Amino acid sequence: AQSVTQLDSHVSVSEGTPVLLRCNYSSSYSPSLFWYVQHPNKGLQLLLKYTSAATLVKGINGFEAEFKKSETSFHLTKPSAHMSDAAEYFCVVSDRSGYSTLTFGKGTMLLVSP
Amino acid sequence: EAGVTQFPSHSVIEKGQTVTLRCDPISGHDNLYWYRRVMGKEIKFLLHFVKESKQDESGMPNNRFLAERTGGTYSTLKVQPAELEDSGVYFCASSRGQGGYEQYFGPGTRLTVT
Repeated sequence: AQSVTQLDSHVSVSEGTPVLLRCNYSSSYSPSLFWYVQHPNKGLQLLLKYTSAATLVKGINGFEAEFKKSETSFHLTKPSAHMSDAAEYFCVVSDRSGYSTLTFGKGTMLLVSP
Repeated sequence: EAGVTQFPSHSVIEKGQTVTLRCDPISGHDNLYWYRRVMGKEIKFLLHFVKESKQDESGMPNNRFLAERTGGTYSTLKVQPAELEDSGVYFCASSRGQGGYEQYFGPGTRLTVT
């Protein structure tokens, strides 16, 4: 069985300051890990994914995440927040054994103030 | 390339009525998934089609839900009869393959049962 825990339901930052969204996972297999973002009234968009290559993964819009197996973590970071980053972010795990059901965390709402 | 589309974007029905949600995947994507998010909870997997066949329907909550994918193109999800607890956002996603392939999500259908 696999599961995802997003440690914060809401994160508030000021524009121009760093962003850290925390995620811990549990998986019986070697996992694939993803971060998705959902802006209001839009579909979920893939930010980045980890599938066993480099542990530091770079995504779109300046986001990156580091896979730490010893800590079972996959935290999402960005050096400098922009107003357009305000959205809901989902950490997702998939069993990489060949089956691709996604297991979602509960989501973290990122609020960016001027 | 057109993305995943879902219709309607929002549906309000009374308890006991029937509702049919539609999903059009990206052209050429054999894999189609349905997910649901009820208020305050995480997004959860409902079922997975490969072409017109159901690969996995382990997430379907009960027999009031019926999913079809005639001809391996678009899919419908029917809820009959609807109950209050069926309210939520229903997402559809499609992918070219399994096991780590990116799933592309539609904007979702918000279902409200009163």
